[in-house]
Amino acid sequence: DAGITQSPRHKVTETGTPVTLRCHQTENHRYMYWYRQDPGHGLRLIHYSYGVKDTDKGEVSDGYSVSRSKTEDFLLTLESATSSQTSVYFCAISEVQNYGYTFGSGTRLTVV
Amino acid sequence: GQQVMQIPQYQHVQEGEDFTTYCNSSTTLSNIQWYKQRPGGHPVFLIQLVKSGEVKKQKRLTFQFGEAKKNSSLHITATQTTDVGTYFCAVYGEGSARQLTFGSGTQLTVLP
Repeated sequence: DAGITQSPRHKVTETGTPVTLRCHQTENHRYMYWYRQDPGHGLRLIHYSYGVKDTDKGEVSDGYSVSRSKTEDFLLTLESATSSQTSVYFCAISEVQNYGYTFGSGTRLTVV
Repeated sequence: GQQVMQIPQYQHVQEGEDFTTYCNSSTTLSNIQWYKQRPGGHPVFLIQLVKSGEVKKQKRLTFQFGEAKKNSSLHITATQTTDVGTYFCAVYGEGSARQLTFGSGTQLTVLP
């Protein structure tokens, strides 16, 4: 959707290397989220942010960290990538709490 | 986090047939959201239901929230090939209005 972009769209990386995924929004929305999607597990929340420097852990946060130094950018870092982190990562934004999210197009990450 | 069961996991229908997917919870929900994800795409927010017994329609799609606010359904009348995709329900966890948890989804295939 217009207003939210994820980069890169695809990435292949080696086990043990750090990886950073970027989510950029132009909507000035306060709320931002990182999900991963895997077959058989649906969408699972990794981390979320309620504003600049206000972040918290989701359901599957182990091995991931996030940063939000500006309203428009939410970064997801895999500190030392493992094969179990091979997945499709989606960023989402919302204007108000407890309403529908707008998702980015996703990043397909493969850890070899 | 909040657990929701979504059934069926897969559904194949002939074009023109109706389709229904169900989302069930063991606890009372504050609200429920529905999303659609086309193959290879990202989730797209469809609707949010808040009130007990609420029914909302979007063209051929009918969304319903149960009287006890423990279940919800999405019904598509006279499916078309454009309806192909995975339909997810999503709810907020108990005691956490910040974490939106997705059901496992129903993958709809429409045969021409």
